Amino acid sequence: GAVVSQHPSWVICKSGTSVKIECRSLDFQATTMFWYRQFPKQSLMLMATSNEGSKATYEQGVEKDKFLINHASLTLSTLTVTSAHPEDSSFYICSARTGNEPQHFGDGTRLSIL
Amino acid sequence: QKEVEQNSGPLSVPEGAIASLNCTYSDRVSQSFFWYRQYSGKSPELIMSIYSNGDKEDGRFTAQLNKASQYVSLLIRDSQPSDSATYLCAVSGNAGGTSYGKLTFGQGTILTVHP
Repeated sequence: GAVVSQHPSWVICKSGTSVKIECRSLDFQATTMFWYRQFPKQSLMLMATSNEGSKATYEQGVEKDKFLINHASLTLSTLTVTSAHPEDSSFYICSARTGNEPQHFGDGTRLSIL
Repeated sequence: QKEVEQNSGPLSVPEGAIASLNCTYSDRVSQSFFWYRQYSGKSPELIMSIYSNGDKEDGRFTAQLNKASQYVSLLIRDSQPSDSATYLCAVSGNAGGTSYGKLTFGQGTILTVHP
């Protein structure tokens, strides 16, 4: 149980492109979803917290206009990196939880901006 | 600033030995504690969760929590080469607080189990 699917797993695109990443909880309803970013040899850094039907809460220093988060249902959240640039290249990971249960992570999306 | 500190290692142990991973946290009101395993290029996988003082055992893994010392550890018995990974300690805040449900991760400890 507690399976989180993330898609796509790998994206390469040109600078200025917008990229959408999907995160789905497959076998449970996620009251909260989280988006993280991880640079090489560093730990996970929380970008934003997303609750179904409400606006995402962004961490300090994360641009909400650049990283658009939509949590339209209890099983789906999307992260759109708008006008991506090389410095946005990173490993983006979502997680989902229900109630007070621990967070379960998706497989991550490796984003490379040329 | 809420911080979670781990010894970054790398920690190298022989196969069959006990691996001991340590973590300290700065926010005294933290309530939930987790150990995640992350293989290179992969996302974290939940190993253990612990919420109250003492030991919690699950197979070869034992988590230990001491809230007075703000310390949490993970012991891996009979270590196997497949246990080689980065182990992340994560801490979550108390219910009703602004950090409730949000995880703060340590920088991770790289564990290598050699045959």
